[in-house]
Amino acid sequence: NAGVTQTPKFQVLKTGQSMTLQCAQDMNHEYMSWYRQDPGMGLRLIHYSVGAGITDQGEVPNGYNVSRSTTEDFPLRLLSAAPSQTSVYFCASSHTGSEQYFGPGTRLTVT
Amino acid sequence: GENVGLHLPTLSVQEGDNSIINCAYSNSASDYFIWYKQESGKGPQFIIDIRSNMDKRQGQRVTVLLNKTVKHLSLQIAATQPGDSAVYFCAEIGRDFGNEKLTFGTGTRLTIIP
Repeated sequence: NAGVTQTPKFQVLKTGQSMTLQCAQDMNHEYMSWYRQDPGMGLRLIHYSVGAGITDQGEVPNGYNVSRSTTEDFPLRLLSAAPSQTSVYFCASSHTGSEQYFGPGTRLTVT
Repeated sequence: GENVGLHLPTLSVQEGDNSIINCAYSNSASDYFIWYKQESGKGPQFIIDIRSNMDKRQGQRVTVLLNKTVKHLSLQIAATQPGDSAVYFCAEIGRDFGNEKLTFGTGTRLTIIP
């Protein structure tokens, strides 16, 4: 199993640009989540999904959209990037939402 | 609001010594806690978990202690090795409309001194 994969690994955007961060898992997990990690802030939950077709907001959802059309994929969309969205983004998946398996992360810089 | 926090942001330990990383939580309704390890440039990795009906759980070289009276969680790493250098996060499981969600602390950076 590849586990949780994320692309791209690095990305630089200009303010106002849009992009999609990709996340895929091959473990048939129902739960998938997106976190952002900022210095001194730990990991904060952006959006999560408990199964295909179901998504919900986390702690910091503003400026991000998600969809879950399949069990395997959970893309995160930035509609209009802002410098405040400069961060490292982690996707995670799990069977129950507790023991989560994390991807390698995407480092995003918005200038 | 509820939060999960750590007492110390950094910790340096001599190789071979034992280390203890502490964590305080404030949500007395949380019933499940996890410790994660994050190495530089990688995603967090599960180390060990504990449910609220336990006060101690042991793994390979790691022990988690839970004191519900003072809402305190600790991770003990025995005979530390250079590969233990990383940031360690505690996390609690809360419930949001029946769904489980992880809330992370800010992390402690552990440095093993050769």
